[in-house]
Amino acid sequence: AAGVIQSPRHLIKEKRETATLKCYPIPRHDTVYWYQQGPGQDPQFLISFYEKMQSDKGSIPDRFSAQQFSDYHSELNMSSLELGDSALYFCASSSGVTQYFGPGTRLTVL
Amino acid sequence: EDQVTQSPEALRLQEGESSSLNCSYTVSGLRGLFWYRQDPGKGPEFLFTLYSAGEEKEKERLKATLTKKESFLHITAPKPEDSATYLCAVQASRDYKLSFGAGTTVTVRA
Repeated sequence: AAGVIQSPRHLIKEKRETATLKCYPIPRHDTVYWYQQGPGQDPQFLISFYEKMQSDKGSIPDRFSAQQFSDYHSELNMSSLELGDSALYFCASSSGVTQYFGPGTRLTVL
Repeated sequence: EDQVTQSPEALRLQEGESSSLNCSYTVSGLRGLFWYRQDPGKGPEFLFTLYSAGEEKEKERLKATLTKKESFLHITAPKPEDSATYLCAVQASRDYKLSFGAGTTVTVRA
């Protein structure tokens, strides 16, 4: 069965640089969620989109923005990167209640 | 604010030694409670969704149960391949974001 696809899988950036993470949901899923998981921590909700509109917003820094496109893929844009942004970033998709997670993007900020 | 507490933090089992993981939750109107399995550096893998007290679901050696205040994940006759971190998450009826517990790391020795 098709799963959530995330790219890139690994990303290394310098402080103050920008990064763009991409997420391709499971086919026919209309909702995308973004989570951040720091080392040894549980995933924290950032933001979600339903039918290309922002639906919920969590603890997402103002330096981050996201959108969902007409083909339902989503991008998380991160600017002015800080050391503390180093984490695993997961995208999940759903067509109902249950969310299915992608493999994640590991972001390292040096 | 929604709260999810998992115990124990870590569990070391001998192969074949059954045990249970606990997830206590506080949420204003539960839409669903979810169990995920996460291997190091990978995305959470969906296991179960439970919607109402008294509900039970099974999959191979795993069985999840739900009461009004907590959920249990029972592992029967575990094998080394069951070693992972098991995450519990709740979804409130007011939105669709997941609030996770800190997880229980299970290690099964052959």
